[in-house]
Amino acid sequence: DIQMTQSPPTLSASVGDRVTITCRASQSISSWLAWYQQKPGKAPKLLIYKASSLESGVPSRFSGSGSGTEFTLTISSLQPDDFATYYCQQYNSYSGFTFGPGTKVDIK
Amino acid sequence: QVQLVQSGAEVREPGSSVKVSCKASGGTFSSYTISWVRQAPGQGLEWMGRIIPILDIIDYAQKYQGRVTITADKSTSTAYMELGSLRCEDTAVYYCAREKSYYLDVWGKGTMVTVSS
Repeated sequence: DIQMTQSPPTLSASVGDRVTITCRASQSISSWLAWYQQKPGKAPKLLIYKASSLESGVPSRFSGSGSGTEFTLTISSLQPDDFATYYCQQYNSYSGFTFGPGTKVDIK
Repeated sequence: QVQLVQSGAEVREPGSSVKVSCKASGGTFSSYTISWVRQAPGQGLEWMGRIIPILDIIDYAQKYQGRVTITADKSTSTAYMELGSLRCEDTAVYYCAREKSYYLDVWGKGTMVTVSS
């Protein structure tokens, strides 16, 4: 099975900060990676798919990059609405969907 | 605009089963792939399986093989997830989500299932 890791587990930041979250896969997944944002008590929301494609309606301050085994989610200027937990996700035909453990972005 | 509406919260005793529904509106249900994802309290997201109604194809995560059954009723645009032999550790929010090209772009609001004696 492909394992996903994320770093850091928790990130403290201020409004306006540039924030970067890293996701690593245990083996190459090409560009088959997505990022989700989840707020407490809410369902996850798709932000980025295919590593770098912005989902419709998602603010342009969110961007994704990477391929192979290492990926990043960047928030160019953190806004109050962005304090949440972020998950990466990969898909493969053998084991289906696998999510990373999450990165919680909280207020510094 | 596709929407997924899930059934309400459930409480079950250990050893029993629970069936959660997910009704789709605003699109062509039979052409979707619907996945089920669960999240235990304070924990991350875990994929359980999926169904492609138009092809009658169902995939389960290995962890849940033999304990979960995912079905769909095309006539009512509703997908179902039934989990049996419930244990306290199955207490979680269960989400259905539409799959688009190996990503999950539309999610239901979730159904809380509590397993307690």
